[in-house]
Order: sequence, then structure tokens, then C-alpha cells
Amino acid sequence: EPEVTQTPSHQVTQMGQEVILRCVPISNHLYFYWYRQILGQKVEFLVSFYNNEISEKSEIFDDQFSVERPDGSNFTLKIRSTKLEDSAMYFCASSARPIQGTDTQYFGPGTRLTVL
Amino acid sequence: TQLLKQSPQFLSIQEGENLTVYCNSSSVFSSLQWYRQEPGEGPVLLVTVVTGGEVKKLKRLTFQFGDARKDSSLHITAAQTGDTGLYLCAGAKGSSGSARQLTFGSGTQLTVLP
Repeated sequence: EPEVTQTPSHQVTQMGQEVILRCVPISNHLYFYWYRQILGQKVEFLVSFYNNEISEKSEIFDDQFSVERPDGSNFTLKIRSTKLEDSAMYFCASSARPIQGTDTQYFGPGTRLTVL
Repeated sequence: TQLLKQSPQFLSIQEGENLTVYCNSSSVFSSLQWYRQEPGEGPVLLVTVVTGGEVKKLKRLTFQFGDARKDSSLHITAAQTGDTGLYLCAGAKGSSGSARQLTFGSGTQLTVLP
């Protein structure tokens, strides 16, 4: 069964460093998302991406964040200058074109980002 | 801000018992998804409900979407220890054809004791 994959599974970085989190969405999906989950808290939406541009973004997704689909398979989240509070699990998700209101999103296993 | 409230937050039951988990909001959602999440892993989809009043069954799990599409419930019959986990509901809102963000509930941590 097709699945979303993410690399790395765990990233440790120093505060102020740039990190790039990578995702390979399900191959025939058209919509891509990033969410994050701080330890013990809810899963929070960061950004959605469709047709090579951002569709929607949350307040969390400030100028330090960017997303890119550099080729036909990868979808990346870049954090330019990491802060301690960026430590969280980051989940990539993808969905096919919504049909009759259904837009089921399938999640990857996540990247645990630890900022020291 | 759209909020999804899940109740109860924690639930501990004996194997063989039945249980119901609730997901409530004041907002209308175009669809609602239930996920199960294990520690350190991503949410795994259980079901998507779309139509108000819809009922879907997945083996011993029964999902219902409220008539007004503001709330949902998950009922588990004859719980097993393998059902232990964090159950999340997530609502989607937005226009058809667009990428729609999910709003997640805070989850119900279910523990089924042998």
C-alpha cells in the first residue's frame, strides 16, 4: 500500500542553524501538507501546498519557514534559523483531489526535530 | 479559531467492554477523519466521514458523523488490548477542490486492560 515517507526520522541541530525536512508524498496525490506536534500537545497545521504554490498557511508558518517541491517526488520544509521552540515532531501529509467533500490526508511517520 | 473537543481525554477499561469517544465542535466541517496515533509515530487513518448522519463500520469500530456535521463519535465494541492507543479526530473545512487544513482534537488516550 502506498505511503508517505519522511527523512530523517530524527534531526538534532543547534539553535540558529538551518534544517531541511524531507517528505515523499504518495505518488498520485496533488495536495501536500506540513503539520507539527510539540510533545504532549495537539497536531497543528503549518502549511498546505498545491500546484506549486502555498494554498494556506497558519500563524506558526512565519518567514523562517519555507516549503518547496524541488522535483516530481520530494516535498521539503525548511526552517531558516531554528529556535528552541521549533523542537517538535513534524509530519508531512498528502491527499488526492477531493471528491464530494472527501479529502483524506495520509500522514508520514514524522521527523523528530530537537533544537539545542 | 475552530476547536475540536474530544472527550474523555483518558479512558481505561477492561478487555471486552464497550466504549464511546466523542468529538464536538461549534463549527461545521466538510469532512471529519479519525486517526490512531502511537507514541513517536504519525497519525494512521481509520476512517473519513463526509455526510451528515453517516455511519461507518470498521470491524468492531463504529463511526458516526452528526447530522449537522459538527460532531462525531467513535464506538468500540468488545475492546481488545490491541485497541490501546491515542485516538484523534480531525475536521476539514474549506472549498471543494482546495487543499484543506485539518483541525485536530487533543485526542483520547485509550487503555484496554487484560
